[in-house]
Amino acid sequence: DAGITQSPRHKVTETGTPVTLRCHQTENHRYMYWYRQDPGHGLRLIHYSYGVKDTDKGEVSDGYSVSRSKTEDFLLTLESATSSQTSVYFCAISGSSGEETQYFGPGTRLLVL
Amino acid sequence: SQQGEEDPQALSIQEGENATMNCSYKTSINNLQWYRQNSGRGLVHLILIRSNEREKHSGRLRVTLDTSKKSSSLLITASRAADTASYFCATDLGERDDKIIFGKGTRLHILP
Repeated sequence: DAGITQSPRHKVTETGTPVTLRCHQTENHRYMYWYRQDPGHGLRLIHYSYGVKDTDKGEVSDGYSVSRSKTEDFLLTLESATSSQTSVYFCAISGSSGEETQYFGPGTRLLVL
Repeated sequence: SQQGEEDPQALSIQEGENATMNCSYKTSINNLQWYRQNSGRGLVHLILIRSNEREKHSGRLRVTLDTSKKSSSLLITASRAADTASYFCATDLGERDDKIIFGKGTRLHILP
């Protein structure tokens, strides 16, 4: 987990409220990713970034938006949280290419009531 | 879309035995990676094998890749209690891309 932090680590929120998760890296890596992990589904890509202000959608992007205004920070926003977004969210980074080794943060557990 | 699929879904073995888990995928790839996840933690990269490689070693880990069968195996020799974790394979989709797709994982439990 060195060089990658996620905040908050745990969050409980109510349906309909906005939620922002933050991923911060000190590795100066170009690529950053947001995944969600759910039982029976493994890790699924939500959004990713290939540079400052450059982002793209992943497999499960509906209901999520992202922003990257600095190399070190990648924000994931749930505009109006739903119970189906209860999950564990992981941030990952990669230096040379998204196809190469990814380094993961410790995760954020989100519960939407 | 699921690119890689691990087999078995769960595996329990005695400490000291070897553990083998497999990954099958659907499309041509450039690389295949294996990751480990301990309970409640983030994933940790174990090994990356390229499509032109057939076998790779790292400590007690041995990974093989058979591109003709679109499959890979991860062998952990002389297992230890600390090897208890979930193991995931991840592949790209062949063309130049910026992402990888993870399988659902194999849960490995090492019995004392």
